[in-house]
Amino acid sequence: QSVVTQPPSVSGAPGQRVTISCTGSSSNIGAGYDVHWYQQLPGSAPKLLIYGNTNRPSGVTDRFSGSKSGTSASLAITGLRAEDEADYYCQSYDSSLSGTWVFGGGTKLTVL
Amino acid sequence: EVQLLESGGRLVQPGGSLRLSCAVSGFTFSNYAMIWVRQAPGKGLEWVSGISSGTYDADSVKGRFTISRDNSKNMLYLQMNSLRTEDTAVYYCAKSSRVTLYYFDYWGQGTLVTVSS
Repeated sequence: QSVVTQPPSVSGAPGQRVTISCTGSSSNIGAGYDVHWYQQLPGSAPKLLIYGNTNRPSGVTDRFSGSKSGTSASLAITGLRAEDEADYYCQSYDSSLSGTWVFGGGTKLTVL
Repeated sequence: EVQLLESGGRLVQPGGSLRLSCAVSGFTFSNYAMIWVRQAPGKGLEWVSGISSGTYDADSVKGRFTISRDNSKNMLYLQMNSLRTEDTAVYYCAKSSRVTLYYFDYWGQGTLVTVSS
């Protein structure tokens, strides 16, 4: 059980907009630690999608955007495409106990 | 081009040991922190160990796994002792974006560790 929580699945039709939430607490996201997002296509390694809450690495389409407020963060995907079907993970830092770099449990995006 | 290539994964019996390696190229290895992340079959990502100026281990592996690096060889290692069936996973090495552990901008393709009798 991760200390940051994501919905297990989301879905949307091509062209639609979907959001994936990442809910934490006062020891991680709410403490001001940045949130980063990764995309994992089937059978592949994770790929950095968003860093520092809102920033896209070079080469990542602007259909992906990130936001953060309070103890939560969100990933938004607009203009949904079939190739967006993947697992998405948020990542932050948790300062409780020994401190750890935490990943959310992951969200499976299905493009209908 | 940044490349990370893991190796060393195999079938091992419970209680056994294994050393994973991660060969890196395309960047100045000594200038960046590194991490091992694992993914059990059908499950999500789990941080295992990280190395920057110090080393850091998840509670689930503390006292059993040791992360290390050889900057002269551009190699990252994970020594895994007292392996348990729940350690079965694909193990990824990943590069941090800075000298401290922050976000991870490049990942290897992973190596499969299976712990079973």
